[in-house]
Amino acid sequence: EVQLLESGGGLVQPGGSLRLSCVVSGFTFDDYAMTWVRQAPGKGLQWVSAISGSGGSTYYADSVRGRFTISRDNSKNTLYLQMNSLRADDTATYYCAKDTADFDCWGQGTLVTVSS
Amino acid sequence: EIVLTQSPATLSLSPGERATLSCRASQSLSSCLAWYQQKPGQAPRLLIYDASNRATGIPARFSGSGSGTDFTLTISSLEPEDFAVYYCQQRCNWPPITFGPGTKLNVK
Repeated sequence: EVQLLESGGGLVQPGGSLRLSCVVSGFTFDDYAMTWVRQAPGKGLQWVSAISGSGGSTYYADSVRGRFTISRDNSKNTLYLQMNSLRADDTATYYCAKDTADFDCWGQGTLVTVSS
Repeated sequence: EIVLTQSPATLSLSPGERATLSCRASQSLSSCLAWYQQKPGQAPRLLIYDASNRATGIPARFSGSGSGTDFTLTISSLEPEDFAVYYCQQRCNWPPITFGPGTKLNVK
């Protein structure tokens, strides 16, 4: 059974940092690209970042480029999102998803709240 | 950036009725469009990929059609569990990958 489990969310002050993790099981992790998608409270879905299976290629939405860094540790079956210089409009539930050109498996999400 | 618009924003129907949801793209997508269903408090679930292919485990009452800039998700006969928010998504021309704003399917 494919499982994705995010962690690392929480309350952080504007300008602060957080690192999200997504531990996966049930598939060969390094065979697949992975993606982060976020959803602000009561709002729609927004793609944040993607990374290739090897980790050699990374992609970002303009709104997070230069502040967020996606990475992965294939030996630990874990995807990361390092978030720096956080702003109030980064407040959202962050989902990791298995990326097969579409997002066929998702985690349950982790809530990030940026507030003073 | 490819912008996706969905209509209607809200659709109120009764169980057993047919639902037709629309997604329009600002540029041609060929057929690389997906549809997701999201229920409150849950992660999205992939329903349709490549415009018309049902994802694993998705009931046959869900179907997708369209190509180019106009796409449709049809639910042939609504079940109680189908009332949710539906999003379309493209990655024909990315980054960025973009989602539509969603259609909320309500019980009438």
